[in-house]
Amino acid sequence: EDKVVQSPLSLVVHEGDTVTLNCSYEVTNFRSLLWYKQEKKAPTFLFMLTSSGIEKKSGRLSSILDKKELFSILNITATQTGDSAVYLCAVEGGTNAGKSTFGDGTTLTVKP
Amino acid sequence: DGGITQSPKYLFRKEGQNVTLSCEQNLNHDAMYWYRQDPGQGLRLIYYSQIVNDFQKGDIAEGYSVSREKKESFPLTVTSAQKNPTAFYLCASSPRLGGYTFGSGTRLTVV
Repeated sequence: EDKVVQSPLSLVVHEGDTVTLNCSYEVTNFRSLLWYKQEKKAPTFLFMLTSSGIEKKSGRLSSILDKKELFSILNITATQTGDSAVYLCAVEGGTNAGKSTFGDGTTLTVKP
Repeated sequence: DGGITQSPKYLFRKEGQNVTLSCEQNLNHDAMYWYRQDPGQGLRLIYYSQIVNDFQKGDIAEGYSVSREKKESFPLTVTSAQKNPTAFYLCASSPRLGGYTFGSGTRLTVV
């Protein structure tokens, strides 16, 4: 069975802190790993990772994939209250190739 | 602007009724998906379709049905056989390679 596990489940930090969110997976026929940010309603796409060791960066957010260890991290530096959200990790592929399996998400709360 | 539209935003259903949730996209994406999200949980796949007139069951398809008669549209019917339908339903679409674009969701409540 395809599985994506995120940790921690929730995290509370103060503005300016740096956070690291974790995602591990067990998925056959791996194609890509994706990170999404969900605030109130629809998740919005952050990153898609397909190759090991290549960091993707967007402003204060960055992410990297380790296909050997089946693991990805999402880093957020200098956090702001607007970063408060649920961060979802998804892996595309699996036993039904072409669909994504999602983790349960990490709820990040950034306090002023 | 291109996007994906779900309607309605909120839906109330009496027990024993079927209801249909709408999902339309004008992104020219081949693939479309329906996910269910319960409080504090991630997304669970109900059905997905990679091409018109074809769709596959996801992990929790029981009590749901879909159709894909047009590329732009992927409606989901929640049938009376679904034992616990109260949830937040998200529709998404994607190109062959790339992340999903999600709709804004439909919150279904059984009364």
